[in-house]
Amino acid sequence: DAKTTQPPSMDCAEGRAANLPCNHSTISGNEYVYWYRQIHSQGPQYIIHGLKNNETNEMASLIITEDRKSSTLILPHATLRDTAVYYCIVRPQTGANNLFFGTGTRLTVIP
Amino acid sequence: DSGVTQTPKHLITATGQRVTLRCSPRSGDLSVYWYQQSLDQGLQFLIQYYNGEERAKGNILERFSAQQFPDLHSELNLSSLELGDSALYFCASSIGVGGLYNEQFFGPGTRLTVL
Repeated sequence: DAKTTQPPSMDCAEGRAANLPCNHSTISGNEYVYWYRQIHSQGPQYIIHGLKNNETNEMASLIITEDRKSSTLILPHATLRDTAVYYCIVRPQTGANNLFFGTGTRLTVIP
Repeated sequence: DSGVTQTPKHLITATGQRVTLRCSPRSGDLSVYWYQQSLDQGLQFLIQYYNGEERAKGNILERFSAQQFPDLHSELNLSSLELGDSALYFCASSIGVGGLYNEQFFGPGTRLTVL
């Protein structure tokens, strides 16, 4: 079962930062937060993951609150190609590796 | 391009028929996962294989079966097809069976239409 809550949709102006929130209030100490996105019926694409520290890679930044009950994915300069459904997923560090996708947030980047 | 390949891209068949979907993982990946995405159910995990052995099972129907071959490619067999089986079927692969740095890389999917 999905253990995360995300807004169903968001808009963002092209070139601006897109901030996508995710609530995971029941997260356990050994569970990581993963973000994937799916661009219109393509296969989901891994973006980033983190435990409790903020993380950054070439695609995005992940900010996790100190109590780890919520996080925000930041796309610093959104482009039209970032229009997609973004999934926030909580997964244990060890054990089963299958992903439970919720309904995600449909991000629309507007020109 | 994730490096995961799936064939065919599209498949149209009739109710009651049987089909086979094929997946080749990224070079070096030992785990293969199958997911189903339908309009009403979203993305759902079906089954995972690691180095030829079944490792995890999700919401996979008894009419569906999968296997992973010695060359690590995998096949998903769907039989006695029903209209509700129409969906996108994704394959993903990862290096290991689980753990921290074990991100899954997804293929482009096979779109199955059952008429």
